[in-house]
Amino acid sequence: NAGVTQTPKFQVLKTGQSMTLQCAQDMNHEYMSWYRQDPGMGLRLIHYSVGAGITDQGEVPNGYNVSRSTTEDFPLRLLSAAPSQTSVYFCASSIGAGVMDEQYFGPGTRLTVT
Amino acid sequence: GQQVMQIPQYQHVQEGEDFTTYCNSSTTLSNIQWYKQRPGGHPVFLIQLVKSGEVKKQKRLTFQFGEAKKNSSLHITATQTTDVGTYFCAGRTNDYKLSFGAGTTVTVRA
Repeated sequence: NAGVTQTPKFQVLKTGQSMTLQCAQDMNHEYMSWYRQDPGMGLRLIHYSVGAGITDQGEVPNGYNVSRSTTEDFPLRLLSAAPSQTSVYFCASSIGAGVMDEQYFGPGTRLTVT
Repeated sequence: GQQVMQIPQYQHVQEGEDFTTYCNSSTTLSNIQWYKQRPGGHPVFLIQLVKSGEVKKQKRLTFQFGEAKKNSSLHITATQTTDVGTYFCAGRTNDYKLSFGAGTTVTVRA
């Protein structure tokens, strides 16, 4: 199993550009989520999904869209990049969203917006 | 804002010494998880605590969950250079969302 994969590893965007961060998992996990990590802020939840066709907002959803058409994939779209979106983005998955579900994280995407 | 607070933000430890990082929530948690992130890496799950007053050990690491299920701690004894990294707690306050603390970044002096 590859676990949770993310592409690209690094990306530089100009303000106003759009792009999609890819996330895939091969563990048949129902729950997937996106976090951003900024210095001193920990991991903040952007969007999450409890299964194919179901998504919901997290703590910091503005400027981001998600969809979940399959169990395996959970792409994150930046609609119009802003310098405030410079961050490290992590995708995570778990079997479910219950009490006993550990999160498996991908390797991350380092995004710089100039 | 962040529902789970974690202190200290930084911990500089002499090799061989002990240290503790603390996690506090303003609301009752259904569980708390701990993760470790090595420099340049991604968070990796360490442990989960569910029961009030629960204590779990992993070698030199001791994890505790408070009686009121609003706080937790991670205590590391005899710190080694392999303990370098950032330790995060993450509290689940409802069925679908984890709220992460800001993390404690640990450096070790040999």
